Amino acid sequence: DAMVIQNPRYQVTQFGKPVTLSCSQTLNHNVMYWYQQKSSQAPKLLFHYYDKDFNNEADTPDNFQSRRPNTSFCFLDIRSPGLGDAAMYLCATSRLGRISGANVLTFGAGSRLTVL
Amino acid sequence: RKEVEQDPGPFNVPEGATVAFNCTYSNSASQSFFWYRQDCRKEPKLLMSVYSSGNEDGRFTAQLNRASQYISLLIRDSKLSDSATYLCVVNIGGTSYGKLTFGQGTILTVHP
Repeated sequence: DAMVIQNPRYQVTQFGKPVTLSCSQTLNHNVMYWYQQKSSQAPKLLFHYYDKDFNNEADTPDNFQSRRPNTSFCFLDIRSPGLGDAAMYLCATSRLGRISGANVLTFGAGSRLTVL
Repeated sequence: RKEVEQDPGPFNVPEGATVAFNCTYSNSASQSFFWYRQDCRKEPKLLMSVYSSGNEDGRFTAQLNRASQYISLLIRDSKLSDSATYLCVVNIGGTSYGKLTFGQGTILTVHP
């Protein structure tokens, strides 16, 4: 019954070896987000899509890229992971609008990245 | 000044206590406000939205003070299961979907 599904749940990679994390949703929400959360810190927004419009946060490193091939899927690519990129990566979705329930984030269970 | 700021705590309270958290935000144009709960190593989950007139859901009461730019969460009759990190989330951009920014979270531990 999961509505936002992230894969893999756990990813171990070597320093510098590219990683792709995926997120799929069955909610038909038009906004999708990628957050990075390090231990004992708040989730930090990396970027978000409003439909196909990509919005990058100013302080998101170039090492992080994203793709949204369709409404249901979104990918996070980390081109050359460093030790500092070890974190939980959270995908979230929300629905546009001022109506009840809009802007509420629905999160996936997260992908925990370990960099060796 | 951080866009969204919370007292990180930790708050340690006995069962049955009443505890309150505040969260301040910097952008007066912010329109949407939420409290999320996050258990250890799990994803955040919506606890409640915060409406202008204030709202209540069982033991939880949320308030918005636009003049002072803060929201609050009150938990009455604390349960052991309330132990978690409570995250304040604000639509900083003020647009209809905007940029949802998290505070750093407030850790609550309820002990017997």
